[in-house]
Amino acid sequence: DSGVTQTPKHLITATGQRVTLRCSPRSGDLSVYWYQQSLDQGLQFLIQYYNGEERAKGNILERFSAQQFPDLHSELNLSSLELGDSALYFCASSSGTELPETQYFGPGTRLLVL
Amino acid sequence: GIQVEQSPPDLILQEGANSTLRCNFSDSVNNLQWFHQNPWGQLINLFYIPSGTKQNGRLSATTVATERYSLLYISSSQTTDSGVYFCAALPGAGSYQLTFGKGTKLSVIP
Repeated sequence: DSGVTQTPKHLITATGQRVTLRCSPRSGDLSVYWYQQSLDQGLQFLIQYYNGEERAKGNILERFSAQQFPDLHSELNLSSLELGDSALYFCASSSGTELPETQYFGPGTRLLVL
Repeated sequence: GIQVEQSPPDLILQEGANSTLRCNFSDSVNNLQWFHQNPWGQLINLFYIPSGTKQNGRLSATTVATERYSLLYISSSQTTDSGVYFCAALPGAGSYQLTFGKGTKLSVIP
């Protein structure tokens, strides 16, 4: 158990809908990362937050957004969903206080868009 | 950005056999992590190894940063070792995002 929790574990929705994925980092970690794992693109970095502020952005679509709250949990919002958004979405956390450091991954949310 | 290549893409082993998985990266790294993704999709941290050698039970890893590669050794493989093994690199220069290789899919048969 990495200490990172993600909810829900599975999500089935329809095209055009909006969903919210939730992540709670390990106790004491200030950085949260979101990654997407799809069959055609592999594991890709989406976005990182550090202590409530966006720190780095990767291959994140404009239809997707994220935020980190004062209690350090993070949410990834996916809107106007398309079939190609079906993927496993991972959240990871790290202390965020210095480089380099290990990122610890949550169990993932499996999203299926029908 | 940094490129991460893993080989072989697929590996089938008889239970009890040993194996070596390779990860090449195109630039200097601040961090190199190995993960095991089990059949249920969970990503499990195996090693954080920007350089040197580490061992954990039947698994060990070596990173030669100057030559830009890392190796994961699995000895006396068990069926529970099956899954996909990923290496991921964190480039230098203040980057925070891990770049993953495409993985090595390992199948251990009894």
